[in-house]
Order: sequence, then C-alpha cells, then structure tokens
Amino acid sequence: NAGVTQTPKFRVLKTGQSMTLLCAQDMNHEYMYWYRQDPGMGLRLIHYSVGEGTTAKGEVPDGYNVSRLKKQNFLLGLESAAPSQTSVYFCATKDRGLEQYFGPGTRLTVT
Amino acid sequence: AQKITQTQPGMFVQEKEAVTLDCTYDTSDPSYGLFWYKQPSSGEMIFLIYQGSYDQQNATEGRYSLNFQKARKSANLVISASQLGDSAMYFCAMRDGRETSYDKVIFGPGTSLSVIP
Repeated sequence: NAGVTQTPKFRVLKTGQSMTLLCAQDMNHEYMYWYRQDPGMGLRLIHYSVGEGTTAKGEVPDGYNVSRLKKQNFLLGLESAAPSQTSVYFCATKDRGLEQYFGPGTRLTVT
Repeated sequence: AQKITQTQPGMFVQEKEAVTLDCTYDTSDPSYGLFWYKQPSSGEMIFLIYQGSYDQQNATEGRYSLNFQKARKSANLVISASQLGDSAMYFCAMRDGRETSYDKVIFGPGTSLSVIP
C-alpha cells in the first residue's frame, strides 16, 4: 500500500520546455488536488478533481493543465515552463472524510 | 473570500515547555473546518488536528490541542511538553463549505517552530 506517490521527485527544466507530473494513489479516493508551495506563502491550490473524468480550477491555475482519466491518477502539465513555476508541487487525495493525504512532493526548477 | 493568517513567521520554545502557534481566519460561510499540518525538514505534510465550526469542544490529539475561539475567528495550536522532533513548519488551513463539497482547503503561510534543548 504505497498511499500517494509523485513522479518525478526532482526536475530541472529550461524556460519553454514542457513536462507532466504524475500523482498516483492506491486508496481509491475520489478527490485529488495539486498544490504548489513557495516560501512564505504556504500551499496554494492549482487544480483539483472530484472524481474520474472531472477537473476544476483552484487559486492559481494559469500556466497549468490537468487530467484525471483514471481514478487513481491525476496529471499536472506545464505546456511552456516559466521561471515563476519554480516551486515544490504537492499532490493530495481525500475521500469523504476530512483529512487530506499528501504525496512526498516534487521539486521543480525552471531556469 | 476566505483567508488564513499566521502572524508568527518563526517561534522558539524550550524543550518540555508548551507553545502556542497563532492562526486567525476569515470566512463568511457558517460551516467550515480548520486543520493544522506539520511539515518537518524532510518535506512531507503531516495532519495533526481538525476542528469543525459547529464542534462544541476544542479538539485534542495527544500533545496537540486547538484553542478555538469562534467569535474572534482564531484557531491556535497548542503543543504541550515540546520535543526536539516538534521542530518543523506548521500550517493552519481552512476548509470552507459543507462536508459534501469538494473540500477546497486554503493554507496559511506557516510558522517555523524551533525547539531548543
């Protein structure tokens, strides 16, 4: 039982490159979330999903796209990376309960 | 709009002493919930405690308790008998809306706690 996993753990991109971050969960949770964490700003919600095939925008969605084709996976895409997207990205999941379960994070640097 | 404020960017506490981490929030929704998460230097987010807006009593979980003052819109975390392993970033967060909603959670900027031996 791996819980919530994120791939990759680290990545360095050049401005303009694209990439996809994968969040996978084996807890059969309905809700999944992508956050970014920047110094002094806590976690900010990028996009979220309330179930397979559904996605919605959070607080800071610009420059990101997401897909939830399978219940267990939530993909976060950067089509054209910018230095402002340098951050630590966290995926989280939850079911009908209150607690969110977080992945270990992905540290992304855009040069 | 919902907002979480944590006014203490950094705190120090002596080992075995108690410490209070401040959190104030703003929401117009009568139904909401408040969380505290711990993030050690290793980076993972660890859920500590939850308080619902309609809960009559303050939440407690082991050495963690939440001092919930609804009229003042504050939800301070109290850690009793601090341990060296308590050194970490602490985030206050708020869930707005009913429990059946998508549960959008907003986080505060965090407080860095250092426990001194």
